[in-house]
Amino acid sequence: DAKTTQPTSMDCAEGRAANLPCNHSTISGNEYVYWYRQIHSQGPQYIIHGLKNNETNEMASLIITEDRKSSTLILPHATLRDTAVYYCIVRVAMAGTASKLTFGTGTRLQVTL
Amino acid sequence: ETGVTQTPRHLVMGMTNKKSLKCEQHLGHNAMYWYKQSAKKPLELMFVYSLEERVENNSVPSRFSPECPNSSHLFLHLHTLQPEDSALYLCASSRLWTSGAGDTQYFGPGTRLTVL
Repeated sequence: DAKTTQPTSMDCAEGRAANLPCNHSTISGNEYVYWYRQIHSQGPQYIIHGLKNNETNEMASLIITEDRKSSTLILPHATLRDTAVYYCIVRVAMAGTASKLTFGTGTRLQVTL
Repeated sequence: ETGVTQTPRHLVMGMTNKKSLKCEQHLGHNAMYWYKQSAKKPLELMFVYSLEERVENNSVPSRFSPECPNSSHLFLHLHTLQPEDSALYLCASSRLWTSGAGDTQYFGPGTRLTVL
């Protein structure tokens, strides 16, 4: 699976959009981009995933560049409860198989008043 | 509440003890996973079960022994652990991947293990 690079930490004011970048320059055509987050001492929580099109759900938006070498997770209106470590993971998805996620060190997002 | 439960939530054991961690999922999934998260380190995938068969064992020492008796339950049997095995042990479950539904992993709250 392709390696990802994320900033170690970011700050965001409450109510503002949080834009978390991820670099995955060695991604191959059949690899998906997944985002999870982990609030302190809890299990990780799925946020969103995509292949090449931009995606949006009730939690966030995922913007993938046309060359797919990078992506940005957008939390449109960050709240204090969004303070967490955010993980960008790139992996091959094959029909009928179990997923094997390789977590890096992620980005620690601190949302402040 | 993710639909994945883990017991116990906290466990302290000596190096000569034998204990088991239990995970149960109520989501109808057919894949289950054990992860280890040590202090200041990323989550490490330990074991993967697909349709109750072990499909991944990431060079985990034999003092950790997984068991998946059915698609809803997963155990991690522990014996003669070392202090460096102290960590948060997380269980997750998912469907097998399909292009329509994906294979989101749902995590339990974890068991905080301390080995004395």
